[in-house]
Amino acid sequence: AQKITQTQPGMFVQEKEAVTLDCTYDTSDPSYGLFWYKQPSSGEMIFLIYQGSYDQQNATEGRYSLNFQKARKSANLVISASQLGDSAMYFCAMREGGTASKLTFGTGTRLQVTL
Amino acid sequence: GAGVSQSPSNKVTEKGKDVELRCDPISGHTALYWYRQSLGQGLEFLIYFQGNSAPDKSGLPSDRFSAERTGGSVSTLTIQRTQQEDSAVYLCASSLVSGGALYEQYFGPGTRLTVT
Repeated sequence: AQKITQTQPGMFVQEKEAVTLDCTYDTSDPSYGLFWYKQPSSGEMIFLIYQGSYDQQNATEGRYSLNFQKARKSANLVISASQLGDSAMYFCAMREGGTASKLTFGTGTRLQVTL
Repeated sequence: GAGVSQSPSNKVTEKGKDVELRCDPISGHTALYWYRQSLGQGLEFLIYFQGNSAPDKSGLPSDRFSAERTGGSVSTLTIQRTQQEDSAVYLCASSLVSGGALYEQYFGPGTRLTVT
């Protein structure tokens, strides 16, 4: 089974609208972290937001928020007030167990922000 | 401060040649990771260093791949006898490790390797 599943290969959103990018995960480890990264066409991976498995509150960072539903094993990224510069690939990733273990990535969602 | 740097940014090599890719992590980050990103396979983990030791090498695809880290800082990924399927972007990341906290990984710009 895939550890991280992103079912939306591509998404369109109008400027200034909100958009939700889906991510579901699979793990039996009680301690894990969920991450979202943005990869613009230039190629660099930019860290956006992190949610720990024991965190009670949903993570927020500026216009980014993570809708964490532990029982459903989902960690959707919500981008509010989309901007043209948000057009990029977005990857959901999970780290299981140890404090410095590897990231397992989903296949990504390409977001296109339109005027 | 300075981010993760990688060199070269692009490398074109002939099949069968050896290549070395370099990563310079963020100062103070004791954990260092190598990943590979290709069209067919997505983002794959290769190897993880904590200091100079590599507790997880599970992602190295074959014995042609090796990596080392010296002085708890710079790391080199070496691919021997390159094959066309090695063509990919090789990404390095580093993270802080402190106590029991989980910290994010910061990525370098990558090395695009093309094997002809």
